[in-house]
Amino acid sequence: EAQLVESGGGLVQPGRSLRLSCAASGFTFDDYAMHWVRQAPGKGLEWVSGITWNSGSIGYADSVKDRFTISRDNAKKSLYLQMNSLRTEDTALYYCAKENSGGYSNWFDPWGQGTLVTVSS
Amino acid sequence: SSELTQDPAVSVALGQTVRITCQGDSLRTYYASWYQQKPGQAPVLVIYGRNNRPSGIPDRFSGSSSGNTASLTITGAQAEDEADYYCNCRDSSGNHRVFGGGTKLTVL
Repeated sequence: EAQLVESGGGLVQPGRSLRLSCAASGFTFDDYAMHWVRQAPGKGLEWVSGITWNSGSIGYADSVKDRFTISRDNAKKSLYLQMNSLRTEDTALYYCAKENSGGYSNWFDPWGQGTLVTVSS
Repeated sequence: SSELTQDPAVSVALGQTVRITCQGDSLRTYYASWYQQKPGQAPVLVIYGRNNRPSGIPDRFSGSSSGNTASLTITGAQAEDEADYYCNCRDSSGNHRVFGGGTKLTVL
């Protein structure tokens, strides 16, 4: 069974950095694109960033572009999100998700349980 | 990038049918996927592609698409279907992903 486990969240001051990790198991990690999705308290889901299987294509939401960097280590079956210049509005539960695709369809399954990032002074 | 628009809240009587919609330009090109999220839990995929259900998702959940609108239909809603539902799709460029704002479903 495919499983994703996030880690690295915590309380951090505005302007500081944090690195999230996502450990994958139960599937061939380097066959799939991976994504980060976040959810601010009481709000909806927001796509943050995605990376293809070979890191050949990477995308970011406008809200995090130039501050966040996604990466992966296929040998370690791990996904990362380096978050710099953090703002209070980055406070959210951060999920990693495996992307499946076929034709004109893409879907996220499974999702991890999330890691909470709180940006506050 | 593009946006996906969902009604913020929908209600349905127990056992009745409800349709949750998602509108956006990118839906003219790409299929939506749908996620159910209950309080304190991670989202769960319920529909993907033209109309596909992952293993374990009841067949009362179905999906459809027409023009710029994707729909999630629950036929015979149950109390346990009360949750937030989100649609997701590639954006118009195909490089990014976008979520709808979510629909809170109440089962009366």
